[in-house]
Amino acid sequence: LAKTTQPISMDSYEGQEVNITCSHNNIATNDYITWYQQFPSQGPRFIIQGYKTKVTNEVASLFIPADRKSSTLSLPRVSLSDTAVYYCLVGDPLVTGGGNKLTFGTGTQLKVEL
Amino acid sequence: DTAVSQTPKYLVTQMGNDKSIKCEQNLGHDTMYWYKQDSKKFLKIMFSYNNKELIINETVPNRFSPKSPDKAHLNLHINSLELGDSAVYFCASSRDRTSGANIANTGELFFGEGSRLTVL
Repeated sequence: LAKTTQPISMDSYEGQEVNITCSHNNIATNDYITWYQQFPSQGPRFIIQGYKTKVTNEVASLFIPADRKSSTLSLPRVSLSDTAVYYCLVGDPLVTGGGNKLTFGTGTQLKVEL
Repeated sequence: DTAVSQTPKYLVTQMGNDKSIKCEQNLGHDTMYWYKQDSKKFLKIMFSYNNKELIINETVPNRFSPKSPDKAHLNLHINSLELGDSAVYFCASSRDRTSGANIANTGELFFGEGSRLTVL
């Protein structure tokens, strides 16, 4: 499984755009990049997934360069409620019982202030 | 309706005791998981089951024994509890490739709310 590296923590202010970058130098051809968000006292929840270029949904955007060795989760105009831990996972998301579901690591703690 | 539910939410017990955490999913998924999250927020896979069969066992001590009576349930039994077992345990489920081809399937995990186990 591709190992990922992401910052331990980030601070931001309400209304700003936040970009969290994840490095995954040994990503494989079948691997997708998936991001999860975890609020305190809750289980992680899926935010976005992509394979290449750019993916956007109602919550975030995911930018993936051509070499796919890194990816950037972009949260537009964050609010206090976006304070959470963000996990970057790399792997085949459809492998039965495994794949990219195995390695969450410690994630990036995002703190949003007024 | 809660998609993935686990009970109890909190569990405080003494070292050496045996305890169980139950998990149920009503999403029709074939695969279920147990994760352990320690005090430093490191979230690590313990087990995964597909259609009641063990797929992944990530070097978890034998004191931990998962049981899947059917594909909607995956319970976790822990024998002889130790201080280091204190953590939050998350159950999750997903729909994987064996569930049928679906280009819209992201294979995403659906997590329960977690069960905080404190061993004294």
